[in-house]
Amino acid sequence: QSALTQFASVSGSPGQSITIACTGTSSDIGGYNYVSWYQQHPGKAPKLMIYDVSNRPSGVSNRFSGSKSGNTASLTISGLQAEDEADYYCTSYTSTTTNWVFGGGTKLTVL
Amino acid sequence: QLQLQESGPGLVKASETLSLTCTVSGGSISSSSYYWGWIRQPPGTGLEWIGNVYYSGSTFYNPSLKSRVTISVDTSRNQFSLSLTSVTAADTAVYFCARHWLQFLAFDIWGRGTLVTVSS
Repeated sequence: QSALTQFASVSGSPGQSITIACTGTSSDIGGYNYVSWYQQHPGKAPKLMIYDVSNRPSGVSNRFSGSKSGNTASLTISGLQAEDEADYYCTSYTSTTTNWVFGGGTKLTVL
Repeated sequence: QLQLQESGPGLVKASETLSLTCTVSGGSISSSSYYWGWIRQPPGTGLEWIGNVYYSGSTFYNPSLKSRVTISVDTSRNQFSLSLTSVTAADTAVYFCARHWLQFLAFDIWGRGTLVTVSS
């Protein structure tokens, strides 16, 4: 069982916006801004999409945005495109001995 | 542009030791701005952080694997390595090496990953 909780799947139609949630505790998401999000296409390595809750690395589309409220972080993808279909993982620093925890992943299907 | 490449056996026998190396190219492993980490992904499941190493050699590990894991760094070869002892079928996974951005604690550059299968 992952330390961070994500819904297993989400879907949306091209052009729509979707939000993927990631729930933790006050020891991780709620206590620190070290939340990052990764996109993973089948058979590929994860790609950093968001760091520090809401910052995008250079080259990542501004259709991707991140936020946090309490113990829950969210990734929003606007203007859905077919290429956005992938698995998305959240991760956070944690003050527990684990140091870093991943969510279980959310599979995004673009209908 | 910095790249990471995992290498090592794709098949390991149960109870033996899994050993992988990550070669860093296009940049120095001795940068003070980054950790270097290993993450794994069992087939069809999510990501699990294994551990990190700093260029100085300091390490920290996932407690669930700590008793079996050693991560080391060789700055002269621009490489870092993973050793996982007493493997079982549960250790079958794709193993990724990645650069861990110290300032923001995010894995910003990843290797392609290598599948390691533990056979009985």
